Amino acid sequence: EDQVTQSPEALRLQEGESSSLNCSYTVSGLRGLFWYRQDPGKGPEFLFTLYSAGEEKEKERLKATLTKKESFLHITAPKPEDSATYLCAVLEGNYKLTFGKGTLLTVNP
Amino acid sequence: DADVTQTPRNRITKTGKRIMLECSQTKGHDRMYWYRQDPGLGLRLIYYSFDVKDINKGEISDGYSVSRQAQAKFSLSLESAIPNQTALYFCATSDGGPNTQYFGPGTRLTVL
Repeated sequence: EDQVTQSPEALRLQEGESSSLNCSYTVSGLRGLFWYRQDPGKGPEFLFTLYSAGEEKEKERLKATLTKKESFLHITAPKPEDSATYLCAVLEGNYKLTFGKGTLLTVNP
Repeated sequence: DADVTQTPRNRITKTGKRIMLECSQTKGHDRMYWYRQDPGLGLRLIYYSFDVKDINKGEISDGYSVSRQAQAKFSLSLESAIPNQTALYFCATSDGGPNTQYFGPGTRLTVL
């Protein structure tokens, strides 16, 4: 059973069409939840870290939120350059980072 | 200059060959990690090291070995490569505690 589940697997938006990506997790003892962006053939690029329920972080058109069971990555008025795979990962203990399979976002002009 | 570098960026090899992938970092972090990424499976941890003398197996260490030559260098070896080790390999680094892991650009390895 997956401990970190991302949905949807793929999302296609028109430029300017806001939406949200979901990351649900079942791990106990969450020490942090991380969002990364990954472009094809490249390494994951860090976006946000959230440590406790109710926390929110924002960067340009992206806003990440965290509850006790899930996190959302809200994308406001996306642009084509926001197209990428967005990865969610949860940290248990001191090092164990468990990744979801990602959401492939495509933003059409 | 990139904080985390990996060499080579692409490698094609044959079954049974020994392969070494190298990672260097200038972030000054103590902790280093090796992951592999396969389509549909996400990123999985192969080995991790908290310092030069502390190396630990991750969830999929069979068929791999590592060497931490210095605080800034962490190498991954495939002693006898097999086709199902074809994947993207990423190195990452972090400070101690629940801190962010920063990833390198990756090595695309193909085993024929």
